[in-house]
Amino acid sequence: GAGVSQTPSNKVTEKGKYVELRCDPISGHTALYWYRQSLGQGPEFLIYFQGTGAADDSGLPNDRFFAVRPEGSVSTLKIQRTERGDSAVYLCASSLVDGGWASYNEQFFGPGTRLTVL
Amino acid sequence: SQQGEEDPQALSIQEGENATMNCSYKTSINNLQWYRQNSGRGLVHLILIRSNEREKHSGRLRVTLDTSKKSSSLLITASRAADTASYFCATDARSNYGQNFVFGPGTRLSVLP
Repeated sequence: GAGVSQTPSNKVTEKGKYVELRCDPISGHTALYWYRQSLGQGPEFLIYFQGTGAADDSGLPNDRFFAVRPEGSVSTLKIQRTERGDSAVYLCASSLVDGGWASYNEQFFGPGTRLTVL
Repeated sequence: SQQGEEDPQALSIQEGENATMNCSYKTSINNLQWYRQNSGRGLVHLILIRSNEREKHSGRLRVTLDTSKKSSSLLITASRAADTASYFCATDARSNYGQNFVFGPGTRLSVLP
């Protein structure tokens, strides 16, 4: 079956612009995570959805970052007034949920969106 | 501060040798997971070990967990050139939600033919 997909694969934008990054999780996966990864670093947690609601958004760096998952499947990460420091690979992952706990299951990662802010 | 930190940062071995990577973390966890990332690609899940488990095997992989020392190790036996990748440990910090995962900076493994 299809894995996690992310679009676009690459996005180049100018400082100050608005961008949207999309994630299509594996069908049936209730849990969805967004991470960002800088070169040579591990993924940095941004936000976790269980269903339509953001169960944990403690990793969002500031109020320029926002994510939605209106129907409990596809999610969009939105970044306003982009800054050069936002340049990174943005990763999405999904997983099953057992008894309310997604963390007991492996996460399936998408290939990522490479965002470059000029 | 980082929850998980891998050690060493880089490791270079010959094909056929064993590779051991370590992960240390700071707070109590529900489980710890190891992932692999090939250059320029997404992460692939390798193994999950729960806080009440001490050792787990999967093929050539062996993971141990010592919750008293807040550390885990990943052993890859009989390494192959295809094992060349970055390896990350990820921990879920215990909270009301327990869903916030923290990855370490990774160990870059090079297996030379």
